[in-house]
Amino acid sequence: QQQVKQSPQSLIVQKGGIPIINCAYENTAFDYFPWYQQFPGKGPALLIAIRPDVSEKKEGRFTISFNKSAKQFSLHIMDSQPGDSATYFCAARISGGYNKLIFGAGTRLAVHP
Amino acid sequence: EAGVAQSPRYKIIEKRQSVAFWCNPISGHATLYWYQQILGQGPKLLIQFQNNGVVDDSQLPKDRFSAERLKGVDSTLKIQPAKLEDSAVYLCASSPGTGDFHEQYFGPGTRLTVT
Repeated sequence: QQQVKQSPQSLIVQKGGIPIINCAYENTAFDYFPWYQQFPGKGPALLIAIRPDVSEKKEGRFTISFNKSAKQFSLHIMDSQPGDSATYFCAARISGGYNKLIFGAGTRLAVHP
Repeated sequence: EAGVAQSPRYKIIEKRQSVAFWCNPISGHATLYWYQQILGQGPKLLIQFQNNGVVDDSQLPKDRFSAERLKGVDSTLKIQPAKLEDSAVYLCASSPGTGDFHEQYFGPGTRLTVT
């Protein structure tokens, strides 16, 4: 089953809070797990990505945690700001393919001042 | 560098009409993708080109959707005839190639409304 399940659908936090978005997969034939950020009226843009042999990756205020045995990964946004308000998509790349991504359903994040 | 360009940005048509979308990828990018993003869902890959050739069209409804990539650069996606359930944002993306992870760069999309 080539599917990525994402939760929650929506999330509201106060400025400075740490929103956490979770994703889970069943197919083990995935070899890359990127996160995309999408603002209204724009296309998704790559935020951060991780390989399954790494348990954590940080880039600025964004951190991916990866649990290979549980087939779960999550995005943490430290010190969240109103400008982080957007929709976030997790994705998984099918290994051995042509860079094909399977996207989660998305999480709409609102960061209140 | 210029990003992925798409046109039109918005289109409203009646069901059973036809429509075409155009995409100009980032210069030099070998791989081009067309996605369908229904409201409240993640993007779903419709078709992927590697240079001129199709490498994945497994989720393209071929009875009504068609796509081509001329000379390995620009691409058009056509729907004929359109159905109500085709209302969505159609995203075009491009990436440098395959192999190790290649970031996909997305255009702003075309919002299609079928009435």
